[in-house]
Amino acid sequence: DADVTQTPRNRITKTGKRIMLECSQTKGHDRMYWYRQDPGLGLRLIYYSFDVKDINKGEISDGYSVSRQAQAKFSLSLESAIPNQTALYFCATSDLGTGNNEQFFGPGTRLTVL
Amino acid sequence: AQSVSQHNHHVILSEAASLELGCNYSYGGTVNLFWYVQYPGQHLQLLLKYFSGDPLVKGIKGFEAEFIKSKFSFNLRKPSVQWSDTAEYFCAVGNFGNEKLTFGTGTRLTIIP
Repeated sequence: DADVTQTPRNRITKTGKRIMLECSQTKGHDRMYWYRQDPGLGLRLIYYSFDVKDINKGEISDGYSVSRQAQAKFSLSLESAIPNQTALYFCATSDLGTGNNEQFFGPGTRLTVL
Repeated sequence: AQSVSQHNHHVILSEAASLELGCNYSYGGTVNLFWYVQYPGQHLQLLLKYFSGDPLVKGIKGFEAEFIKSKFSFNLRKPSVQWSDTAEYFCAVGNFGNEKLTFGTGTRLTIIP
């Protein structure tokens, strides 16, 4: 979905490095989410934000932090990457106005931690 | 906390076969239900959704799903699959007024030509 973009699309890094994944959206949505996808585990919520001043932990927030720099931007950081954070990471957005939970996904970032 | 179960982890079918993928959820209140599809190497795309009204919903590419409230189910169906349906399928549930979704673990569908 071209309205939700993620950078980088692929990243290989080493254990202990700090990594930032970025998400931008042009949908005008208030709500943004970060998920990780692992084979056999589906999508698990890391953090979510309902507006610029609202940040909430998801089910697997340990080892991650986020920043909502503006309505359109939501960044995910790994302060000290470890190999079990190797995964596919997705950003998503949803519209407060509809109240129907539908989320729109970015193309994903494949992160490999060596 | 709500949960979503997709019991079929990997389904292999021949082209033209009929498909049904199971999805069950645990939540007693008003729910919004979704099926997302992820084609190889791509991001998640919405296949279909149910918010209210007719429990039989039709989505893109000939897919449909039926919401059966008494069974807490939202199974995905397609009468005749194609090779291009090879993908991973995720069921997701949200409860009205809560902007989070809970995803199932996904079902990998492989269609043999």
